[in-house]
Amino acid sequence: AQSVAQPEDQVNVAEGNPLTVKCTYSVSGNPYLFWYVQYPNRGLQFLLKYITGDNLVKGSYGFEAEFNKSQTSFHLKKPSALVSDSALYFCAVRPYNNNDMRFGAGTRLTVKP
Amino acid sequence: SAVISQKPSRDICQRGTSLTIQCQVDSQVTMMFWYRQQPGQSLTLIATANQGSEATYESGFVIDKFPISRPNLTFSTLTVSNMSPEDSSIYLCSVDHRGHQETQYFGPGTRLLVL
Repeated sequence: AQSVAQPEDQVNVAEGNPLTVKCTYSVSGNPYLFWYVQYPNRGLQFLLKYITGDNLVKGSYGFEAEFNKSQTSFHLKKPSALVSDSALYFCAVRPYNNNDMRFGAGTRLTVKP
Repeated sequence: SAVISQKPSRDICQRGTSLTIQCQVDSQVTMMFWYRQQPGQSLTLIATANQGSEATYESGFVIDKFPISRPNLTFSTLTVSNMSPEDSSIYLCSVDHRGHQETQYFGPGTRLLVL
């Protein structure tokens, strides 16, 4: 069965600095990979996904993620963090051939002014 | 993306009662999912609901506790039955929007507190 690991419970960065939120996965076959963001008292918002094609995926709000097959990773990045990026971020994986999506434990990003 | 609404947005319930959560989508979708997010935890899939068939439940979840209806392609309900404080969670509806390459979109969630 597929699984996702987000090794950091918490990531703290200063506003204007680059940010990285890490994600590694395990799945049989080709993966579909996703990042979602959850703001306080809100549902999950879709940020970006990797299905196929270019390993570097660009998404909403200036976020991007790089699919690395050899390292089975899909780290979320942003060149310059904003205070408003502070939220809970979830990585998710599903196999290409079914709908069984698995979520990581989540990483709380705090961007300080 | 699909626009998803949930009712109620939050509720406080007494032990032993039941609550039905509604999920409405602005377009027809094949698959709808119900997730639970316990305080400080990640998302756990409860069940998958397809229109015209019985819901498929994940390990640890049973129909008697979480009955689901899917009467048409834009609507579903999840009932949390005979509630206990351990059922206090956020319950999220999600849809599989095939027109957007396998992306799942989520409703705003229903925050349930059981006393």
